[in-house]
Amino acid sequence: EADIYQTPRYLVIGTGKKITLECSQTMGHDKMYWYQQDPGMELHLIHYSYGVNSTEKGDLSSESTVSRIRTEHFPLTLESARPSHTSQYLCASSQLGANVLTFGAGSRLTVL
Amino acid sequence: QKEVEQDPGPLSVPEGAIVSLNCTYSNSAFQYFMWYRQYSRKGPELLMYTYSSGNKEDGRFTAQVDKSSKYISLFIRDSQPSDSATYLCAMSKITGNQFYFGTGTSLTVIP
Repeated sequence: EADIYQTPRYLVIGTGKKITLECSQTMGHDKMYWYQQDPGMELHLIHYSYGVNSTEKGDLSSESTVSRIRTEHFPLTLESARPSHTSQYLCASSQLGANVLTFGAGSRLTVL
Repeated sequence: QKEVEQDPGPLSVPEGAIVSLNCTYSNSAFQYFMWYRQYSRKGPELLMYTYSSGNKEDGRFTAQVDKSSKYISLFIRDSQPSDSATYLCAMSKITGNQFYFGTGTSLTVIP
């Protein structure tokens, strides 16, 4: 069973709302990632972090922001949600020096 | 050109069949190769992990990597209805900081 937790699992909100997707891991992993997953598409990297106070944007243009104040916590924030943000968001983590990802169960976001 | 190409499926097989799932890639720098299984409404879970070329077996699952052809495969023997899921291939370079995914193949095993 994965030790990486995402909340909320499902969220339906209106356009313009601010939302934060939470991600926490109990494995002490240094590296954490946010991916966007849409049907029939490969996972797109939105943000990643290699440690506390380190965050980078991924290859997918995004209006979201992240923070990494604690090793175990990597929240993703959308300041103003739009229907184009409707998607599945996956949080993942990896130990430094390891080459595998452990994923959370995902947060399914619907913006009306 | 995508860095990782995966047979799109969907794939539907009878219970007990041997299933072959495949991915090709273009970047010769990839050294680590993974297969993830994703059930509906769940996150991907690591199924198999291989470094460089060769085969790796775990129960009914066998992962093969052919770096000369830039081709990886996952074989499932004696497939079960519980194997019905989407299978994602993934790979990374020696640094292991970035991961590259296929689009996934949807598999249904019919009882």
